[in-house]
Amino acid sequence: GDSVTQMEGPVTLSEEAFLTINCTYTATGYPSLFWYVQYPGEGLQLLLKATKADDKGSNKGFEATYRKETTSFHLEKGSVQVSDSAVYFCALSEESGANSKLTFGKGITLSVRP
Amino acid sequence: ETGVTQSPTHLIKTRGQQVTLRCSSQSGHNTVSWYQQALGQGPQFIFQYYREEENGRGNFPPRFSGLQFPNYSFELNVNALELDDSDLYLCASSGITRFGANVLTFGAGSRLTVL
Repeated sequence: GDSVTQMEGPVTLSEEAFLTINCTYTATGYPSLFWYVQYPGEGLQLLLKATKADDKGSNKGFEATYRKETTSFHLEKGSVQVSDSAVYFCALSEESGANSKLTFGKGITLSVRP
Repeated sequence: ETGVTQSPTHLIKTRGQQVTLRCSSQSGHNTVSWYQQALGQGPQFIFQYYREEENGRGNFPPRFSGLQFPNYSFELNVNALELDDSDLYLCASSGITRFGANVLTFGAGSRLTVL
């Protein structure tokens, strides 16, 4: 079945450091890929997505490229801020249209120090 | 930008009891999914409802059931509660967002504790 594997956490960085969070996936077809972020006390928010190979999703300085050859969708940001402290989830969906079940990774906690 | 509201935010039940969790989505969002999230884990898909009918289910027993009402409100019902049901339950509606069509928008969740 489908699965998503994220690097082990937590991750602690100083402000303005470079961020990479690894994500690899297993799927039978050609899934859409997502990064969701969960701030303390809030619901999951979609950060970015990519729907086909070589697509790059980007938002709020974060970006991730859909790499079919390595089945990866690593999240990067050039300069993190304290406000980026949250839990980040990589996810995939093999379905489209109104039927869109997501398979999530375990999530990784990012803490950014001032 | 969440337009999904869940209630209650926290509740405590006893093993064997039944619980109802509620969710309201944005107008026009006709598809709703429910997820169960254990502490330190990613959300797990329970089931999805579209036009008031179940439309896909994950590895969850029939004691997990749902209802969808015409006014964009939804319920998750769990019967015969077990201790392992203690988790965060997330409601997500599917619709058009700034990221495009059929994107899931999640509520903040209802945290259930079973004693």
